[in-house]
Amino acid sequence: TQLLEQSPQFLSIQEGENLTVYCNSSSVFSSLQWYRQEPGEGPVLLVTVVTGGEVKKLKRLTFQFGDARKDSSLHITAAQPGDTGLYLCASQNAGGTSYGKLTFGQGTILTVHP
Amino acid sequence: DTAVSQTPKYLVTQMGNDKSIKCEQNLGHDTMYWYKQDSKKFLKIMFSYNNKELIINETVPNRFSPKSPDKAHLNLHINSLELGDSAVYFCASSQDILAQETQYFGPGTRLLVL
Repeated sequence: TQLLEQSPQFLSIQEGENLTVYCNSSSVFSSLQWYRQEPGEGPVLLVTVVTGGEVKKLKRLTFQFGDARKDSSLHITAAQPGDTGLYLCASQNAGGTSYGKLTFGQGTILTVHP
Repeated sequence: DTAVSQTPKYLVTQMGNDKSIKCEQNLGHDTMYWYKQDSKKFLKIMFSYNNKELIINETVPNRFSPKSPDKAHLNLHINSLELGDSAVYFCASSQDILAQETQYFGPGTRLLVL
């Protein structure tokens, strides 16, 4: 089972600041997904990255996939209180048959203060 | 219409009891999942079903028994509840079991065992 290390675990910032969340593994990802979970809700998919070096943007969120497909980052520009939530990275192992099994990182709890 | 729904949303029960959680998806998906999220927000897969057939069975105690009466439903029955079973249980679904498919999560069932 692929292990994902996510950092930081907690992030408390002021509105308008920038932040980056990291997701790393010693194994190669076949693909990497980022989810956001708001209090009392289930996780919601933000993005899937597949190709090494890939960069995807979703409004103020920028997702990068490492060239070697072993790491990924989520960067938020000018954070807003509405960005508050739990951010999770998730992967499926490279090679073999994947049965839709997602392995999640430990999560980053982001709080953006007005 | 809610895509993935779970009942109940909250469940408080005594140790030793048997309880069931129900999940329904109206997305026409073939694959459904059960996840457990512990008090530290770590999300881990328990089971997955594809077309009513069990695909993934992680190292879950056999007190947990999933049942899929049809593709749209995946229920979770728990026997002899223990304190450590307290967690949030999420149901999810995806179009199929292929890698990179988006998984849609339900709102969760908050189980508290006293």
